[in-house]
Amino acid sequence: KAGVTQTPRYLIKTRGQQVTLSCSPISGHRSVSWYQQTPGQGLQFLFEYFSETQRNKGNFPGRFSGRQFSNSRSEMNVSTLELGDSALYLCASSLTPNRGSAEKLFFGSGTQLSVL
Amino acid sequence: AQKVTQAQTEISVVEKEDVTLDCVYETRDTTYYLFWYKQPPSGELVFLIRRNSFDEQNEISGRYSWNFQKSTSSFNFTITASQVVDSAVYFCALKGGSEKLVFGKGTKLTVNP
Repeated sequence: KAGVTQTPRYLIKTRGQQVTLSCSPISGHRSVSWYQQTPGQGLQFLFEYFSETQRNKGNFPGRFSGRQFSNSRSEMNVSTLELGDSALYLCASSLTPNRGSAEKLFFGSGTQLSVL
Repeated sequence: AQKVTQAQTEISVVEKEDVTLDCVYETRDTTYYLFWYKQPPSGELVFLIRRNSFDEQNEISGRYSWNFQKSTSSFNFTITASQVVDSAVYFCALKGGSEKLVFGKGTKLTVNP
């Protein structure tokens, strides 16, 4: 069974540009969540999608957005990039986001974004 | 607000030593879940264990054991007879009523041969 796949693995952009990151969950998993990892702030929750709907959102500016497709694949977009957006962006999938419980998350290897 | 504190930033041990990673959490929720994840150099986080707030039974799995103490809001993780392959960053995480997973800053464990 293939794991969570994130593309691209590395990305270099300049300030002001926009970027789109892709995540393919484990087959059969319908929930996808995104996290930003930086040395200073650690791992921070960005958003979670289930059945093409955003179910939860972290405390990030509106420049960060995402979507989920009918095949559960997800993309996240960052517009007007800033230097501080340089980070490892991790995607995680799970079977379903049952409210009141906590599914085990399966993570991809991430996309390392560098903003120059 | 929910918070997870991993006071140990880095730990270095010699192979075969036992090592305990500390985790202290804060939440006002009565129902919550605690997790440990491991992040090897390859980057992806790997799930190790999940505990709910009603289950204080400690668990042992091979060389790994976990100690959940609600009275002190701690969820510590011990590796017995550490191995070089255990070298990684270990994250403690909390999920409560907000349904958002909150991670600690992580503890980098280096096991030297």
